[in-house]
Amino acid sequence: AQSVAQPEDQVNVAEGNPLTVKCTYSVSGNPYLFWYVQYPNRGLQFLLKYITGDNLVKGSYGFEAEFNKSQTSFHLKKPSALVSDSALYFCAVRAVNNAGNMLTFGGGTRLMVKP
Amino acid sequence: NAGVTQTPKFQVLKTGQSMTLQCAQDMNHEYMSWYRQDPGMGLRLIHYSVGAGITDQGEVPNGYNVSRSTTEDFPLRLLSAAPSQTSVYFCASRIDRTSNQPQHFGDGTRLSIL
Repeated sequence: AQSVAQPEDQVNVAEGNPLTVKCTYSVSGNPYLFWYVQYPNRGLQFLLKYITGDNLVKGSYGFEAEFNKSQTSFHLKKPSALVSDSALYFCAVRAVNNAGNMLTFGGGTRLMVKP
Repeated sequence: NAGVTQTPKFQVLKTGQSMTLQCAQDMNHEYMSWYRQDPGMGLRLIHYSVGAGITDQGEVPNGYNVSRSTTEDFPLRLLSAAPSQTSVYFCASRIDRTSNQPQHFGDGTRLSIL
């Protein structure tokens, strides 16, 4: 079975400071990894993905994530946080050879960026 | 393009009532899925479909039925609503089952069962 852990329910950061939202995963075989963001009363929006190749992935709105196979992690980062980055963030994993090709989500981390 | 459209946006039901949550996509995606979102539990997969006429169960299928008569539509049916089904429901689609492309999500249906 595949799983995703987001160990922090909430991350607080001051505007202009760097931010990290943590994600670790468990999957049989190679993973596809995704980060999504959810704003109030909206569906999830895709931020970035890791498929293969370079371990550092760049995505929308200045976000990036680093894939670390040995630590089975895929932490989301941004060098300088904005108040508008405040939202709910979800990490998700799918095994490349998953027969059902199902996507498994973490429990979500609320990011609060204060002015 | 509209993307993934869900209706209704809000619904209140009484225990035992039935209803259908509608989902339509205009991207010609083969793979569609339904999730429920509950606080602290992320999104959990209810049912999914890899193409018209083909559906399968996800993690939490009990109490829900689906059908896929066309590529565009993937309705979710609650046959006899229970308070435990109070949740926010999201429909999502992607090109096909094996694609590494991200899923596209609708804006959700907020369902309360009294």
